[in-house]
Amino acid sequence: GAVVSQHPSRVICKSGTSVKIECRSLDFQATTMFWYRQFPKQSLMLMATSNEGSKATYEQGVEKDKFLINHASLTLSTLTVTSAHPEDSSFYICSARWQGAAGELFFGEGSRLTVL
Amino acid sequence: DAKTTQPTSMDCAEGRAANLPCNHSTISGNEYVYWYRQIHSQGPQYIIHGLKNNETNEMASLIITEDRKSSTLILPHATLRDTAVYYCIVRLPLDSWGKLQFGAGTQVVVTP
Repeated sequence: GAVVSQHPSRVICKSGTSVKIECRSLDFQATTMFWYRQFPKQSLMLMATSNEGSKATYEQGVEKDKFLINHASLTLSTLTVTSAHPEDSSFYICSARWQGAAGELFFGEGSRLTVL
Repeated sequence: DAKTTQPTSMDCAEGRAANLPCNHSTISGNEYVYWYRQIHSQGPQYIIHGLKNNETNEMASLIITEDRKSSTLILPHATLRDTAVYYCIVRLPLDSWGKLQFGAGTQVVVTP
């Protein structure tokens, strides 16, 4: 099956700093990637859709200037949490759409961000 | 995308079949039924999907009612590693604007 890798898996940062999370499709090209956020004991919430070579589309209520998404290549999308605050602490998960026969989405392992 | 209704939680004995129901009474004709699961602190894992016909793969079986208003995911021989939150999602085909929105899911606990 298709593999999606996220890095880092865990990150701790100070309030006010910026953190970049990478999402890579290892063995396939993904023209579309999705970013989710998950708080403890809650379901995944879609943040934005990232299309290679174009601007990301953000879901309602998600600040595009705070969560910068770049999808510069067919195998890499990045999410940068700018000026992080403790309330940004969460589990961030990316997924990539495989263009194979089923076209299902494959998910990364997730990145746990803790802002002190 | 159509909304789904799942039980909040289910317990299942190891080695027995686990039958996970999902109601999607507002599903439209071209929407698929997808199942994913999420083991604690991991990303979701694709399990199976279907449109009208029943489907089976190495992980599970998907039974969709004739009117497509509900479906059941069957894990034939549950193991402790199947403990996870299971999400039933209905969505448009992937060649369209295929966003995946997650509901609350069913917390399945497999016990020895």
